[in-house]
Amino acid sequence: QVQLQESGPGLVQPSGTLSLTCTVSGGSISSDYWSWIRQSAGKAPEWVGRIYGGGGTNYNPSLKGRVTMSVDTSKKQFSLKVTSVTAADSAVYFCAREDRVRLFDFWGQGTLVTVSA
Amino acid sequence: YELTQPPSVSVSPGQTARITCSGDAVTSQYVYWYHQKPGQAPLLAIYRDSERPSGIPERYSASNSGTAATLTISGAQADDEGDYYCVSAGSSVLFGGGTKLTVL
Repeated sequence: QVQLQESGPGLVQPSGTLSLTCTVSGGSISSDYWSWIRQSAGKAPEWVGRIYGGGGTNYNPSLKGRVTMSVDTSKKQFSLKVTSVTAADSAVYFCAREDRVRLFDFWGQGTLVTVSA
Repeated sequence: YELTQPPSVSVSPGQTARITCSGDAVTSQYVYWYHQKPGQAPLLAIYRDSERPSGIPERYSASNSGTAATLTISGAQADDEGDYYCVSAGSSVLFGGGTKLTVL
């Protein structure tokens, strides 16, 4: 059973950088794909991007180059950075395993990030 | 690209609930369905158009005609209430706008 846990600041200043980490247990981070998904209050989830355990990435084009993902296999963690944040980036951020057959089959509990001065 | 869902569906207990999902991505990619309850992460209900993961009740089924995907809940129960999202996945991933299912 794969388990994921998000961590990071819950409050980020406008124009600053949002940084989150997801810690994986019970699975092999090296051989799977890992995604970040965010959900603003009352809205549908939005896929932010994915990283492969080997380091390849795909990002949602709508985020226009503000997103960077990285992976640290020794710590069984992968990370998300979003630069130049505005209030529109305020959301619950989920990390999830992206399976080739089942898509997002394991999720973290989510962490709320608020962009505010 | 967009995936379009009805904003809400309401049924009485024991009735059949049907939620549709339409858009260009439906014609060319697998569709997945997620069920989300308040304060929880979405839960996979259907994968690859019509496959049901272990632990999902048999009353959940789905199909994809190529022009629209449909999630069917036969004999809906109170525990089926919540938001349902269709998702398509390729090099990028797209979520539908969501459908709120009410069973009462």
